[in-house]
Amino acid sequence: SAVISQKPSRDICQRGTSLTIQCQVDSQVTMMFWYRQQPGQSLTLIATANQGSEATYESGFVIDKFPISRPNLTFSTLTVSNMSPEDSSIYLCSVAVGTNTEAFFGQGTRLTVV
Amino acid sequence: AQSVTQPDIHITVSEGASLELRCNYSYGATPYLFWYVQSPGQGLQLLLKYFSGDTLVQGIKGFEAEFKRSQSSFNLRKPSVHWSDAAEYFCAVGLYNQGGKLIFGQGTELSVKP
Repeated sequence: SAVISQKPSRDICQRGTSLTIQCQVDSQVTMMFWYRQQPGQSLTLIATANQGSEATYESGFVIDKFPISRPNLTFSTLTVSNMSPEDSSIYLCSVAVGTNTEAFFGQGTRLTVV
Repeated sequence: AQSVTQPDIHITVSEGASLELRCNYSYGATPYLFWYVQSPGQGLQLLLKYFSGDTLVQGIKGFEAEFKRSQSSFNLRKPSVHWSDAAEYFCAVGLYNQGGKLIFGQGTELSVKP
């Protein structure tokens, strides 16, 4: 299993600013994933964060808006840039220990943009 | 393209009654299937998973699910619902050899009547 810590747990931000969310895992993992959950919606994958290479973004998400860092095998950050109220969501970090296994999730970061 | 469909957006059951939440998937290869539960303000908790073998899988909190390849379904069941089961339930398919990358259904919100 894996224990994931996300910071901050929640934040209220002004439009036009940026917020960086941190994800720390208690074990080394190859891939980390960032999801977005808009109010009342399901989870949508933003990108896969690979250690040692650039993140892979899903359709509809771009690096300029959601830059991701992955400096080592236990840590990643997601930045939500130039925020607008439409970015108000829960952002979740996820990892899988090994290939073809279950995914573990952090508690999420609840972001409100005003 | 891979997809997961949960036909029921909201279900209400009486406490002590049985429960079945429906999930259908579309995936070209052998699926890895999961059910997660999300309580208000909480992260995602894994209820159960199917990778291979016995098509009836047991999970935590008295839940079970049955994989039916012919129907592309993975329905979640519980024989007797407790008030604490009220939550949002997500079905997800894991993509083979993509290390924990998940496609989620839209979610089913479960309400429990006293």
